[in-house]
Amino acid sequence: QKEVEQDPGPLSVPEGAIVSLNCTYSNSAFQYFMWYRQYSRKGPELLMYTYSSGNKEDGRFTAQVDKSSKYISLFIRDSQPSDSATYLCAMSEINNAGNMLTFGGGTRLMVKP
Amino acid sequence: GAGVSQSPSNKVTEKGKDVELRCDPISGHTALYWYRQSLGQGLEFLIYFQGNSAPDKSGLPSDRFSAERTGGSVSTLTIQRTQQEDSAVYLCASSLGGRTTDTQYFGPGTRLTVL
Repeated sequence: QKEVEQDPGPLSVPEGAIVSLNCTYSNSAFQYFMWYRQYSRKGPELLMYTYSSGNKEDGRFTAQVDKSSKYISLFIRDSQPSDSATYLCAMSEINNAGNMLTFGGGTRLMVKP
Repeated sequence: GAGVSQSPSNKVTEKGKDVELRCDPISGHTALYWYRQSLGQGLEFLIYFQGNSAPDKSGLPSDRFSAERTGGSVSTLTIQRTQQEDSAVYLCASSLGGRTTDTQYFGPGTRLTVL
């Protein structure tokens, strides 16, 4: 079993829809959670990060962490065709020497005009 | 300023040949990371450099893989006697330091195909 599980999709939604992307993890030492977005043939770019349980909002994006369930989510409101990409969750331990990140496999999102 | 750059962008090689992949981190970033991304897989951590030293080599898949960093800047990942299972996108990232809170900035990757 992988440390971080993520549904690969693809997830296809119409423009304007609310998108929910999720990851589960097994390592209770993970304390720092991130979402990266990766466009085709590009490197991942950091979208959001959070340390604590609860919600964090940034524009159309909301990151949610439930440490008791070992479950994290990314919500995208009013999705746009430009949001079409692969979304990768990543996480690490706080006192992780070297800042090694453990990634999920990524969910491919397609937003149709 | 310039982001992380990697070269070549694509590399096709024959099984058994050696390959070298290059990474130029963001200027001033002391930490540098190599990851591998295979089809349908997440990013797999390979190695981390703080300055020129690599305190964590645990992710290198075999002794055919090696990496070095010189002058606290450019890094080279070398794969000897390539195998077909080495085919993947090799991503490099850099961060200001090696702390958890330091954002890792990724390059575009080198797509390696071993025939």
